[in-house]
Amino acid sequence: QQPVQSPQAVILREGEDAVINCSSSKALYSVHWYRQKHGEAPVFLMILLKGGEQKGHDKISASFNEKKQQSSLYLTASQLSYSGTYFCGTASRSSNTGKLIFGQGTTLQVKP
Amino acid sequence: DGGITQSPKYLFRKEGQNVTLSCEQNLNHDAMYWYRQDPGQGLRLIYYSQIVNDFQKGDIAEGYSVSREKKESFPLTVTSAQKNPTAFYLCASSIPPGPSGVRDTQYFGPGTRLTVL
Repeated sequence: QQPVQSPQAVILREGEDAVINCSSSKALYSVHWYRQKHGEAPVFLMILLKGGEQKGHDKISASFNEKKQQSSLYLTASQLSYSGTYFCGTASRSSNTGKLIFGQGTTLQVKP
Repeated sequence: DGGITQSPKYLFRKEGQNVTLSCEQNLNHDAMYWYRQDPGQGLRLIYYSQIVNDFQKGDIAEGYSVSREKKESFPLTVTSAQKNPTAFYLCASSIPPGPSGVRDTQYFGPGTRLTVL
């Protein structure tokens, strides 16, 4: 039931690109992406509500393939500040509780 | 500024003691949640509340209790029945889902790190 994120960890040099995937075995209504720095609270990045929807924020964007029950987070021209652990949180259709189920996280480390 | 506050930031507990973690929000959100995070792992839901005076168990509720007497507050008590309570605890709040499903995300407090001595 927990969505599966891949890869588990990524190490990049500044300026390189990365893709983080989030796959669910259940039909999804929405996917929420967060970034967490060590010892801090997760910070909301973006939410995708409709199949095929893509959103972007600065050089971080995401897509949602409803048919594949999958979302991908794209980080382009990575910066040192992008380092952290990225989580996807998923909500299935007809979820009337507001509950999100979170993936296990993908640790991203950007080196100079 | 609106937000979620958690206190204390660090908490130490002796085995056999109950401790209560505070969570307060001034975002006027109806729904509130408690998560537990262990090193290298994701967020696991302990309890959640969609409205005052109502709450439901999450995936790992055993050994925990909550109350929701006010909209702004959702304290979590870690009881002595929780066998391995050392973890990072996060509180979150959100607007409840609309008829179509979850359309609004959850906003997190800064967390409380609990250590059992």
